[in-house]
Amino acid sequence: GDSVTQMEGPVTLSEEAFLTINCTYTATGYPSLFWYVQYPGEGLQLLLKATKADDKGSNKGFEATYRKETTSFHLEKGSVQVSDSAVYFCALSDPNSGYSTLTFGKGTMLLVSP
Amino acid sequence: GEEVAQTPKHLVRGEGQKAKLYCAPIKGHSYVFWYQQVLKNEFKFLISFQNENVFDETGMPKERFSAKCLPNSPCSLEIQATKLEDSAVYFCASSPTGQGISGNTIYFGEGSWLTVV
Repeated sequence: GDSVTQMEGPVTLSEEAFLTINCTYTATGYPSLFWYVQYPGEGLQLLLKATKADDKGSNKGFEATYRKETTSFHLEKGSVQVSDSAVYFCALSDPNSGYSTLTFGKGTMLLVSP
Repeated sequence: GEEVAQTPKHLVRGEGQKAKLYCAPIKGHSYVFWYQQVLKNEFKFLISFQNENVFDETGMPKERFSAKCLPNSPCSLEIQATKLEDSAVYFCASSPTGQGISGNTIYFGEGSWLTVV
């Protein structure tokens, strides 16, 4: 079955540091890939997505590139802010399920200090 | 509405009691999903609907969980005879389309926090 593996957290950074959160996946089909963010006490918000190989999703300074050859979708940001502190979830949707459901990684908590 | 609305935000039930959660999807969205988030952030897919029809229920515990999406009513997730391990945040989500659309975005509500004591 499908699965998503994320690096375990928490990731602790100082403000303006460079962020990478690794995500790799296994899927039976050619999935769509997503990053969601969950701020404390809130629901999930879509951060960015990519639907085919070499696509780069970007939003709010975050980027991730769909790498089919390494089955990866690593999240990066050049300069994090305290307000980026949250839990980040990598996820995929599989064409074999009609892209209708999401398979999530276990989440990576990011803590940014001033 | 413009967002997925879930009620109640918090619910406390004694073991063995019934719990019922509600979800109003974004207007115009045909697909509704329920996910359970347990300790350590893990998300578990429970069930999805296409309008009022069950689309995928492969994640739904058969014995005590049930869900409905009836026309002109909020969708609901009901747990009969709750157990301690049912304590979790239950997220509802909706999407405009579901099947066959690459990159189909699923929008989440803020969740309902169920505590079973």
